[in-house]
Amino acid sequence: AQRVTQPEKLLSVFKGAPVELKCNYSYSGSPELFWYVQYSRQRLQLLLRHISRESIKGFTADLNKGETSFHLKKPFAQEEDSAMYYCALRGNQGGKLIFGQGTELSVKP
Amino acid sequence: DADVTQTPRNRITKTGKRIMLECSQTKGHDRMYWYRQDPGLGLQLIYYSFDVKDINKGEISDGYSVSRQAQAKFSLSLESAIPNQTALYFCATSDYYTGELFFGEGSRLTVL
Repeated sequence: AQRVTQPEKLLSVFKGAPVELKCNYSYSGSPELFWYVQYSRQRLQLLLRHISRESIKGFTADLNKGETSFHLKKPFAQEEDSAMYYCALRGNQGGKLIFGQGTELSVKP
Repeated sequence: DADVTQTPRNRITKTGKRIMLECSQTKGHDRMYWYRQDPGLGLQLIYYSFDVKDINKGEISDGYSVSRQAQAKFSLSLESAIPNQTALYFCATSDYYTGELFFGEGSRLTVL
């Protein structure tokens, strides 16, 4: 079965501090992992996916198959990073996307 | 711009009433989804459809039904609404190859 766990409901940091939003998954095959973000009064949108291995808005995420994790990191948080972040998993057969519980990131000035 | 549109955006109804939430898209995607968002529970998949003749239950389909009227339209129905169905509902579409979801703005439903 597919499962995504985000253990932190709320993460509060000061501007300029490093940020790590945790995501752990359960899947027997080779998953595709994504991070989605929802800024205040905006639609949910894709932030990044593990396949592309790119950095978006300073965020990176590495798929660790040994630890079944896909943590989202940013070395220096900005106030505009405050948002709701969701980790999501799609199975290797290109099926449905399953989301975690979400983590609210609050970056204080 | 190609888009995903949900109607209504807000709805207040009473227990036992039938409610339909509609979703239309101009992205040309075959795949469409309905999710429910609750604080602390994240996004939960209600139903999904990979083409017009394909309908699949998601994680929390009980109390809901869907209709895929055309490639561009996917409706969610609550046959007899109950208060714990009060939530924010999102429709989304996706491209098969990238898997990226494109979301609507959401429909906030309150069941009294």
